[in-house]
Amino acid sequence: EAGVAQSPRYKIIEKRQSVAFWCNPISGHATLYWYQQILGQGPKLLIQFQNNGVVDDSQLPKDRFSAERLKGVDSTLKIQPAKLEDSAVYLCASREGLADPQETQYFGPGTRLLVL
Amino acid sequence: AQKITQTQPGMFVQEKEAVTLDCTYDTSDPSYGLFWYKQPSSGEMIFLIYQGSYDQQNATEGRYSLNFQKARKSANLVISASQLGDSAMYFCAMREAYSGNTPLVFGKGTRLSVIA
Repeated sequence: EAGVAQSPRYKIIEKRQSVAFWCNPISGHATLYWYQQILGQGPKLLIQFQNNGVVDDSQLPKDRFSAERLKGVDSTLKIQPAKLEDSAVYLCASREGLADPQETQYFGPGTRLLVL
Repeated sequence: AQKITQTQPGMFVQEKEAVTLDCTYDTSDPSYGLFWYKQPSSGEMIFLIYQGSYDQQNATEGRYSLNFQKARKSANLVISASQLGDSAMYFCAMREAYSGNTPLVFGKGTRLSVIA
């Protein structure tokens, strides 16, 4: 079974530029998460989708971050314009989402963003 | 207030020895799940072990075991017979109201270094 795919793996941009990340979850997984992991910290949830609907985006900086999950499969996360403090690893995770309490989230390899 | 606290920024352990990584959590929800993840330098989050709040026995998975002390709200990870490949960041995470589709909340992590 293929895992969660993310691209690109690395991105370097200058501040005020735009950037987009792509995530393809495990086939059949209804729930998709985007996390931001700043160096030296644990992942912090940015947004959660259930199929193509947003469940939780309370911690998404909506003035510059946006995310969508068209057709309930792939998802893109965009930052526009980027700031220095956005330098982090962006992790995508998916879960079957059938409310099994023991079910873990499966993570992709992440996209490492450096904003100069 | 922090929901997950990992007080050890870094730990060293001799190869083949056992090591305990500490995790305390804070929740008023009677139903919750606790997870441990390993994050090697490659960046991917690897699921290790799960403990449900109603589980009577401590969880075990191979060389990993979870020392669950519900009254003290602690869920320490024990790695037995450490190997060089165990060197990584380790994160404790919690899902509250685990009958629902709630996301994981992570601690700041502990960096484990295994010495030959």
